[in-house]
Amino acid sequence: RKEVEQDPGPFNVPEGATVAFNCTYSNSASQSFFWYRQDCRKEPKLLMSVYSSGNEDGRFTAQLNRASQYISLLIRDSKLSDSATYLCVVVSGGYNKLIFGAGTRLAVHP
Amino acid sequence: NAGVTQTPKFQVLKTGQSMTLQCAQDMNHNSMYWYRQDPGMGLRLIYYSASEGTTDKGEVPNGYNVSRLNKREFSLRLESAAPSQTSVYFCASSPQRTGGTEAFFGQGTRLTVV
Repeated sequence: RKEVEQDPGPFNVPEGATVAFNCTYSNSASQSFFWYRQDCRKEPKLLMSVYSSGNEDGRFTAQLNRASQYISLLIRDSKLSDSATYLCVVVSGGYNKLIFGAGTRLAVHP
Repeated sequence: NAGVTQTPKFQVLKTGQSMTLQCAQDMNHNSMYWYRQDPGMGLRLIYYSASEGTTDKGEVPNGYNVSRLNKREFSLRLESAAPSQTSVYFCASSPQRTGGTEAFFGQGTRLTVV
């Protein structure tokens, strides 16, 4: 079983839609969680951190459920510019080892 | 600020050739990483270095060696390239803090082994 699993998609949604991605992780001792965004043929870039209390940044909301070991990302009012691959990242171990999910591809169409 | 700089950006190798991918960061980060990304596989950790002078294997270390030359630089070496090593390679760095922190990535090296 992979340490971090995501639905690969693609998710094809119209502009203005709300879309949610989920991610599960296997290591219950994982310490930190992030969502990264990766545009085609570019490097991954941090989208937001995920806190136990949940956090929101504009149209983006991230939540963590430690008991069920999953992380979610909600995007409201989708824009064309949101089209990208979204990577779930879990930090495990004592040396800040970042483990990536395979990514979920989002395509927003007019 | 340059952030994380990788060289080269593109490379084509013949099977059996060797090469070193260079990575440097100017953010005074302790931790550095090498990942490879293949279609449908996401980013897989090859090696990481928690601090200068230390290196550890990640998920897919076979066929690679690394050197943490100093705090700024972390190189990845392919001693005898194989077609299975065709991939996009990303170097990353992060400050080391209790509880974990995000990583910052270089622009990647697209390697093709023929």
